[in-house]
Amino acid sequence: QVTLREAGPALVKPTQTLTLTCSFSGFSLLTNGLSVTWIRRPPGKALEWLARIDWDDDKYYNSSLKTRLAVSKDTSKNQVVLSLTNVDPGDTATYFCARLRRGPTGYNYFDFWGPGTLVTVSS
Amino acid sequence: NFMLTQPHSVSESPGRTVSISCTRSSGDIAGNSVQWYQLRPGRAPTTIIFDDNQRPSGVPDRFSGSLDTSSNSASLTISGLMAEDEADYFCQSSDRNIYVIFGGGTKLTVL
Repeated sequence: QVTLREAGPALVKPTQTLTLTCSFSGFSLLTNGLSVTWIRRPPGKALEWLARIDWDDDKYYNSSLKTRLAVSKDTSKNQVVLSLTNVDPGDTATYFCARLRRGPTGYNYFDFWGPGTLVTVSS
Repeated sequence: NFMLTQPHSVSESPGRTVSISCTRSSGDIAGNSVQWYQLRPGRAPTTIIFDDNQRPSGVPDRFSGSLDTSSNSASLTISGLMAEDEADYFCQSSDRNIYVIFGGGTKLTVL
């Protein structure tokens, strides 16, 4: 059974660094073709893809946030960590992690999601 | 990058059928697979369609996905609407199978 769960602070002050951890079970991030992705949804707005880390440690970032994002994995702990530097109120959102896998046609899709964690940026 | 445009909201009565469109702004809608996700408050998002028209196990066959190349769009169709289908629905595709693009989301209200 695949599960993912996000953890991190509920409140962060502007200019601080937000660090979120995705803890997962039911799969290994050493498995060929699997990735973990971070996605966020500001209140009342659309989903926004943030970053992805692959089983072979390849990493990809949203180009508009690339200079502020970093993603890493600890396969021994089954965790993926996302950091977002220099936050501002516009980063207030529910942050999700999701597993990405390759479908039968070769295209990637999210098959399992965490429930999300709400992060508010405010002084 | 391209954009995916969805209607802000749709509404329909229980038992009826509703469709949600997702129009790609440039490039071929069939150029990369389209997925659909359901978001309900307080719950983890659920994948209801992948690879344009495939349902993960456990998703009822009331949900179906399709492409319309003439309008360069994808559609999610939900038949036999139930109260529990009330949610936000997002379409998603990718640029070069790496950079993920979401539609703006559609709020489905079951009257």
